[in-house]
Amino acid sequence: DAGVIQSPRHEVTEMGQEVTLRCKPISGHDYLFWYRQTMMRGLELLIYFNNNVPIDDSGMPEDRFSAKMPNASFSTLKIQPSEPRDSAVYFCASSPTLAGGFNEQFFGPGTRLTVL
Amino acid sequence: QKEVEQDPGPLSVPEGAIVSLNCTYSNSAFQYFMWYRQYSRKGPELLMYTYSSGNKEDGRFTAQVDKSSKYISLFIRDSQPSDSATYLCAMTGGTSYGKLTFGQGTILTVHP
Repeated sequence: DAGVIQSPRHEVTEMGQEVTLRCKPISGHDYLFWYRQTMMRGLELLIYFNNNVPIDDSGMPEDRFSAKMPNASFSTLKIQPSEPRDSAVYFCASSPTLAGGFNEQFFGPGTRLTVL
Repeated sequence: QKEVEQDPGPLSVPEGAIVSLNCTYSNSAFQYFMWYRQYSRKGPELLMYTYSSGNKEDGRFTAQVDKSSKYISLFIRDSQPSDSATYLCAMTGGTSYGKLTFGQGTILTVHP
């Protein structure tokens, strides 16, 4: 299995531009998670899906952020308009159906976003 | 106050040293406790997990959970330069079922 796939790996954009990050989870995994990682705040959960349905988006910082999962093999995280404080590494992770309350999350390589 | 507190370090030790990494938490509903390892410019990977209180050993790594104190630890024996990474604790349980709450991560460097 190729693991969780994210694209692009690096993105440099200017303030005000729209940014779209993409994720392909591991086949057969029912859960998909979007995280943001910065030195100051660590790894923060933004939103997660179960069977393509958003379950908890309480971590989405504001209305500029939106996420979709149109099918079981694809998800996007969009930032519009982008701001310099959005600069971070964005990770996508997926996990199989919960078994007994524990689910190992498998992380992608991340997208390093820089907003100038 | 964050639900999970972890000293970000950085921590620098000589090869062969015993390393102790720790996290404290405030949510008594947490039942599963995990340690993830993250190499530079990579995604985190699960290292080991424990359920409720107690110890778990895997090779040179030992995870301990003390639910009464809301305190978890990861010990690395005979540390190697290849152990140099960021170590993140993570927890789940109760109403947070399905999602993990991470500590900030401790940056560890093991020098030869």
